[in-house]
Amino acid sequence: DIVMTQTPLSSPVTLGQPASISCRSSQSLEHTNGDTSLSWLQQRPGQPPRLLIYKISKRFSGVPDRFSGSGAGTEFTLRISRVETEDVGIYYCMQTAQSPYTFGQGTKLEIK
Amino acid sequence: EVQLVESGGGLVRPGGSLRLSCTVSGFTFNAWMIWVRQAPGKGLEWVGRIKTKSEGETTDYAAPVMGRFTISRDDSENTLYLQMNSLKTDDTGLYYCVLLAHGEDHWGQGSLVTVSS
Repeated sequence: DIVMTQTPLSSPVTLGQPASISCRSSQSLEHTNGDTSLSWLQQRPGQPPRLLIYKISKRFSGVPDRFSGSGAGTEFTLRISRVETEDVGIYYCMQTAQSPYTFGQGTKLEIK
Repeated sequence: EVQLVESGGGLVRPGGSLRLSCTVSGFTFNAWMIWVRQAPGKGLEWVGRIKTKSEGETTDYAAPVMGRFTISRDDSENTLYLQMNSLKTDDTGLYYCVLLAHGEDHWGQGSLVTVSS
């Protein structure tokens, strides 16, 4: 199974400041067609997960442009350029390159 | 607007059975579908996957549910199912259906399953 490791597990951030979450996979997530099946999900308190970023860096419909994704191979990063109150929640990376699909442990973003 | 609505959750005794449904609207149902669960206060766990009808509706499952859970689909009803048998207390949690759309995945709101005596 592909293991997804996120760091940090907790991230206290000041409003208006940037935040960054890393995700490492134990194997490459790149398909032979060049696509990489790495997504980022946001789960606000009491809400279901919501897709933010797919294929490393593509923003899902309706996602603010302060969210961005980057990376390649086995190292990926989610960045929030200026944290807002509504960004509080848990963020997960997810790989759908190989079954069983796996998730990172989750990173809790909170406001200082 | 794409909507996935799960139903069928509830309270069941250990060893019992339950069937969850997930009805999709606003999107072609001809896509891979997965179930993901979340135990109370815990992270996300993939349960299993079903491919399209043209791919033989092939399924695969996570190790903890293999042999107990069965995923199926009815494309004529735009509905995905999760049949859960021999339920254990560890199966307690929110169950989400997810439509895989080449990365642009759509998530349901979840259905709560509680396994308790």
